[in-house]
Amino acid sequence: DAGVTQSPTHLIKTRGQQVTLRCSPKSGHDTVSWYQQALGQGPQFIFQYYEEEERQRGNFPDRFSGHQFPNYSSELNVNALLLGDSALYLCASSLAGANIQYFGAGTRLSVL
Amino acid sequence: AQKITQTQPGMFVQEKEAVTLDCTYDTSDPSYGLFWYKQPSSGEMIFLIYQGSYDQQNATEGRYSLNFQKARKSANLVISASQLGDSAMYFCAMREGYRRDDKIIFGKGTRLHILP
Repeated sequence: DAGVTQSPTHLIKTRGQQVTLRCSPKSGHDTVSWYQQALGQGPQFIFQYYEEEERQRGNFPDRFSGHQFPNYSSELNVNALLLGDSALYLCASSLAGANIQYFGAGTRLSVL
Repeated sequence: AQKITQTQPGMFVQEKEAVTLDCTYDTSDPSYGLFWYKQPSSGEMIFLIYQGSYDQQNATEGRYSLNFQKARKSANLVISASQLGDSAMYFCAMREGYRRDDKIIFGKGTRLHILP
C-alpha cells in the first residue's frame, strides 16, 4: 500500500518564476492538505482540498494556489517566487472525517 | 500567543533510557485533538500518536505514550526504552474544533539525540 508520494523531491528556481508541486494521496484518502516548513520551524498550513475544492486556507497570499483532481491527487502552484518561499513543502492526506493526516516526504524548494 | 509550545529545542538521551518531550497547548475550544509526529532527516513527517480532548485515558502506541493533563493543557510524549533510530525532530501538534480532519497547528519541534 503506497503512502503519500510527492514529486519532485528537490527543485531549484529563481525569483519571479512559477513552480508546480505534485502530491498523490495514500490509497483510499480523499482529502489533501499542503504545509510549508521553513528551516528550523514546524510546518504551517497552506490549504486543504476536498472534492476538488479548496475547503480551508491558512495565512498565505494568493500567489499560492492549488488544485485537486478527480483521482484525489493534488497540485500546489506558487507564482512570482520570492526568496522567502524556499522551504520544504509537505503534502498530507486523510480520509474525510478522520483524525490522522499522513504526510509525504516533501518537496524541497530552493529559490535563488 | 503560540498555540503549541515546545520548550526543549534539543535533548540528548542515553540509549535504552526513557524520554519525555514536553508540549503545552493553548485553546479555548472544548473539542480538539493532539498529535505527535516524528521527522527524521529524510523529511517525512511520521505520525506517532493521537489524543482527543474527550478521551478519558492517555493514548499509547507501542513504546509511545502521551501524558495528557487537560487542566494544565499539557500533552507530553513519553518514549520508553529509547533506541538509536529514535534520533529525529519531534513535533507536537493540535487540531482545534469538532471537525476531525481540520488543519493541524504545529509547534517548533524538539530535536532528540539518542547516544549509544
